[in-house]
Amino acid sequence: EPEVTQTPSHQVTQMGQEVILRCVPISNHLYFYWYRQILGQKVEFLVSFYNNEISEKSEIFDDQFSVERPDGSNFTLKIRSTKLEDSAMYFCASIFGQGDTEAFFGQGTRLTVV
Amino acid sequence: RKEVEQDPGPFNVPEGATVAFNCTYSNSASQSFFWYRQDCRKEPKLLMSVYSSGNEDGRFTAQLNRASQYISLLIRDSKLSDSATYLCVVNIGSGSARQLTFGSGTQLTVLP
Repeated sequence: EPEVTQTPSHQVTQMGQEVILRCVPISNHLYFYWYRQILGQKVEFLVSFYNNEISEKSEIFDDQFSVERPDGSNFTLKIRSTKLEDSAMYFCASIFGQGDTEAFFGQGTRLTVV
Repeated sequence: RKEVEQDPGPFNVPEGATVAFNCTYSNSASQSFFWYRQDCRKEPKLLMSVYSSGNEDGRFTAQLNRASQYISLLIRDSKLSDSATYLCVVNIGSGSARQLTFGSGTQLTVLP
């Protein structure tokens, strides 16, 4: 069964450092998303991406965040200067098409900022 | 008011019990509705979509009331493996502007 893969599974970084979280969505999917989940809290929308540009972004997705699809397969989330409160599980998701179809989530990257 | 609101639980039920979860959403323009399941420290996985006519998948029944902006999930004959957090998810927008909005989740523990 096709799946969304994320790397690394766990990343520890020092406050102020840049991190890049990587995702490989399902190959024929067209819509890509990043969500985050702070431990014990709900899953929160960060950003959606379609046709090589951001479609929507939340208030959380400020200037410290950026997304890219550099090579047609990878979908990356960059946090420019990490803060302690960026510590969370980050999930990548993809959807095939415009119909109301299932969103497939990757297994997540646990980011710990120390 | 929260966009998607759920009773956080926890619900602790014996095996074989029937349990019901409720969810309300605030945006009347919401397009589609889902129940996802999330195991501890794992990614959310789709349990079932929710349609206005109601739909059933084995032991699971989902209902939607658009007028009341209310979604429900019923689990019959609960199994130990049903223990998880159940997430009510609402799709606001369509096409490239779609945005899945998650409720906080309802934690279920099925006891032997």
